[in-house]
Amino acid sequence: QQQVKQSPQSLIVQKGGISIINCAYENTAFDYFPWYQQFPGKGPALLIAIRPDVSEKKEGRFTISFNKSAKQFSLHIMDSQPGDSATYFCAASRNNFNKFYFGSGTKLNVKP
Amino acid sequence: DTAVSQTPKYLVTQMGNDKSIKCEQNLGHDTMYWYKQDSKKFLKIMFSYNNKELIINETVPNRFSPKSPDKAHLNLHINSLELGDSAVYFCASSRGLAGGNEQFFGPGTRLTVL
Repeated sequence: QQQVKQSPQSLIVQKGGISIINCAYENTAFDYFPWYQQFPGKGPALLIAIRPDVSEKKEGRFTISFNKSAKQFSLHIMDSQPGDSATYFCAASRNNFNKFYFGSGTKLNVKP
Repeated sequence: DTAVSQTPKYLVTQMGNDKSIKCEQNLGHDTMYWYKQDSKKFLKIMFSYNNKELIINETVPNRFSPKSPDKAHLNLHINSLELGDSAVYFCASSRGLAGGNEQFFGPGTRLTVL
């Protein structure tokens, strides 16, 4: 049973547009929610992460929105660029144990 | 300097063979992991070691055996390779086992079993 569900599976956005990727979880013990970015042929790398004590975290063009009551969180990429084309993974873990449960990934293609 | 390195990058082998993948991290981290990424890009944890002690052992066939000679190294040995073992295997490390520690991933090893 997948602990973290991610959608959409793939996303095509025009340059300058907003990319939105959504994730949902069931386990209320999760309290760390990172997003990882993976380029072809490379390992995933941490993009941005949030804890449930805040509803939003912004780093440059990347924003995580977190809805604790709905058990959902999303990644927003503003002013999407072709260089953002990659696969994005959401994940979740518990405070006392660094075991990551990854979503199934979203392949983002930003068209010039 | 590569933080988490894996060798080899590509591995092509026949069914039934035994192979190993090596991982090294130079970040001074205590915890290391092995993940399997299948053809649909799904990332699944296989094993985790903390200070050379096995902490996470997911439902993985016992043909897979991890070994951590020291904190900086975590190797993966696979016996009697099967077609379904074809995947990309990623090693990762983190400062510790407590939640919220960033995991740093290696470049991956693409295993193809013919």
